[in-house]
Amino acid sequence: QSALTQPASVSGSPGQSITISCTGTSSDVGGYNLVSWYQQHPGKAPKLMIYEVSKRPSGVSNRFSGSKSGNTASLTISGLQADDEADYYCCSFAGSSTSVVFGGGTKLTVL
Amino acid sequence: QVQLQESGPGPVKPSETLSLTCAVSGYSISSGYYWGWIRQPPGKGLEWIGSIYHSGSTYYNPSLKSRVTISVDTSKNQFSLKLSSVTAADTAVYYCARAFRYCTGGSCYPAAFDIWGQGTMVTVSS
Repeated sequence: QSALTQPASVSGSPGQSITISCTGTSSDVGGYNLVSWYQQHPGKAPKLMIYEVSKRPSGVSNRFSGSKSGNTASLTISGLQADDEADYYCCSFAGSSTSVVFGGGTKLTVL
Repeated sequence: QVQLQESGPGPVKPSETLSLTCAVSGYSISSGYYWGWIRQPPGKGLEWIGSIYHSGSTYYNPSLKSRVTISVDTSKNQFSLKLSSVTAADTAVYYCARAFRYCTGGSCYPAAFDIWGQGTMVTVSS
């Protein structure tokens, strides 16, 4: 069982917006502004999309945005495109004894 | 351009030790950042294994800590993973990755993973 809880799947039509949630505890998501999000296409390595809750690495589209409220972080993708179809994982710093935890992943389907 | 490349001997038998190396190019491993390993069993999610700083400071997943050793060789600009007493449950794609460094209270820890290797499949089978 993963430390962070994500929905198994979400879907949306091209052009729409979707949000993926990532629920943890006050010891990880809620305790630090160190949530990151990764996109993984089949057979490929994960790609960093968001770090420190809401920051985008250079080269990542501004259609991707992150936020956090309490123990739940969220990834929003606006203007859905076919290439956004992938698995998405959240990740959080979880304190000195645990350090890093991932969510179970969410499969995004673009209808 | 920073690149990471995993390498290893291939299949591993149960009870043996899995050994992988990650060669870093385009960036000095001694210049900062944490360097770590993440794995993904077939059809499943990501699991952080552990991370190391060039000074040798390490952090491990508590569930794997008793079997994991991560080391760094700054002269070769690479870092390595050893996982002992493997079972079929350790069959996975193993990724190496660079991680941002987060410092608080006088200590520093790995945070987000910004550069990843392509991954290498390791099968544990007799």
